Amino acid sequence: KNEVEQSPQNLTAQEGEFITINCSYSVGISALHWLQQHPGGGIVSLFMLSSGKKKHGRLIATINIQEKHSSLHITASHPRDSAVYICAVPNSGGSNYKLTFGKGTLLTVNP
Amino acid sequence: GAVVSQHPSWVICKSGTSVKIECRSLDFQATTMFWYRQFPKQSLMLMATSNEGSKATYEQGVEKDKFLINHASLTLSTLTVTSAHPEDSSFYICSARVASGGVLETQYFGPGTRLLVL
Repeated sequence: KNEVEQSPQNLTAQEGEFITINCSYSVGISALHWLQQHPGGGIVSLFMLSSGKKKHGRLIATINIQEKHSSLHITASHPRDSAVYICAVPNSGGSNYKLTFGKGTLLTVNP
Repeated sequence: GAVVSQHPSWVICKSGTSVKIECRSLDFQATTMFWYRQFPKQSLMLMATSNEGSKATYEQGVEKDKFLINHASLTLSTLTVTSAHPEDSSFYICSARVASGGVLETQYFGPGTRLLVL
């Protein structure tokens, strides 16, 4: 099974700051997911990437397959970005679509 | 983007009763749906994989007789928690898999159902 580590576990920032959340995994993968979970619990899929970098609005996700590491960046953070950010990777040794989830990073952006 | 809905979003029930949770893919067909459970401050844990027209595959430690899964169509999967007990109180989330035809597979997540068993 793939092991997923996220850091930091908790992150508090002031509005406007640049945010970085990191994710490392133990077994090579074909793609990695970044998810956002708001306090109400609903989950939104932010990115799925297999190489390089993807950008959507103020969110940027990068992945280094060789180093088994991915980062999620938020530029010009805003209080509405406050949520738990979760990375997920496929389990090893089986189908590529069963996911293992990190424990999440709780981001709080203060006005 | 693709939308997955869950119903109900909240349910409170008495111990011993059964609760059915629906997961629907609204604008696409999902050959595979996944059911997850999340306890407070914990990661999502996969409970079972549900393929349309066939029996669900349960993860180790998940009682298939307690968590009944039915995936009767390409847009609907249901999870029934039978004889619910307080320890079943949790946040249940489904996701639907969209096969891209290549190595990249994506999943779309439902908003979740919060179950409280009294």
